[in-house]
Amino acid sequence: GAVVSQHPSRVICKSGTSVKIECRSLDFQATTMFWYRQFPKKSLMLMATSNEGSKATYEQGVEKDKFLINHASLTLSTLTVTSAHPEDSSFYICSARTGVVHTIYFGEGSWLTVV
Amino acid sequence: AQSVSQHNHHVILSEAASLELGCNYSYGGTVNLFWYVQYPGQHLQLLLKYFSGDPLVKGIKGFEAEFIKSKFSFNLRKPSVQWSDTAEYFCAVNAGGNTGKLIFGQGTTLQVKP
Repeated sequence: GAVVSQHPSRVICKSGTSVKIECRSLDFQATTMFWYRQFPKKSLMLMATSNEGSKATYEQGVEKDKFLINHASLTLSTLTVTSAHPEDSSFYICSARTGVVHTIYFGEGSWLTVV
Repeated sequence: AQSVSQHNHHVILSEAASLELGCNYSYGGTVNLFWYVQYPGQHLQLLLKYFSGDPLVKGIKGFEAEFIKSKFSFNLRKPSVQWSDTAEYFCAVNAGGNTGKLIFGQGTTLQVKP
């Protein structure tokens, strides 16, 4: 079946540095991918919609200059957390929409810890 | 704005007990509804979804959900839970078309005691 893969699954970075998380659709083309953030014991919060070949659409309250999203191809979207701070530590999850109606697959998620 | 509310934040049941998790949404138009499960240390998995047709939807692992349009509800049920059902359950709504953009409820932690 369709699979969405995220890399890295866990990353630790120092405050002030940038870190990139990749989201790949392994066996289908995803024109649209979504990035969510999940705090411990909390629900998923949609951060942005990533569209192949165009700028991402950010949800209200999400800093687009801090969370850079690039959707360079039909199988890859990247989320770059710039100038990371400890409060950016979280679980980031991507999802991808296939061409089949209402079919959405989630990646395994990436744990980011900023120290 | 669209929102999803899950009434039960933490549910503790004994094995073989019946389960019902509440989910209500706020959106007046056409909606697609989902229940996802997140087992400890694993990624989100789709349990079931509704987008049209029979409002009683059957999913994997013996779960089912009923869409009641008049109540804006999509409650999840299972007649007899197992210890392996211990997980976090999320209700989600995709409102206004096939965008793939999901709005999630707060989640319900289900703990099943053996």
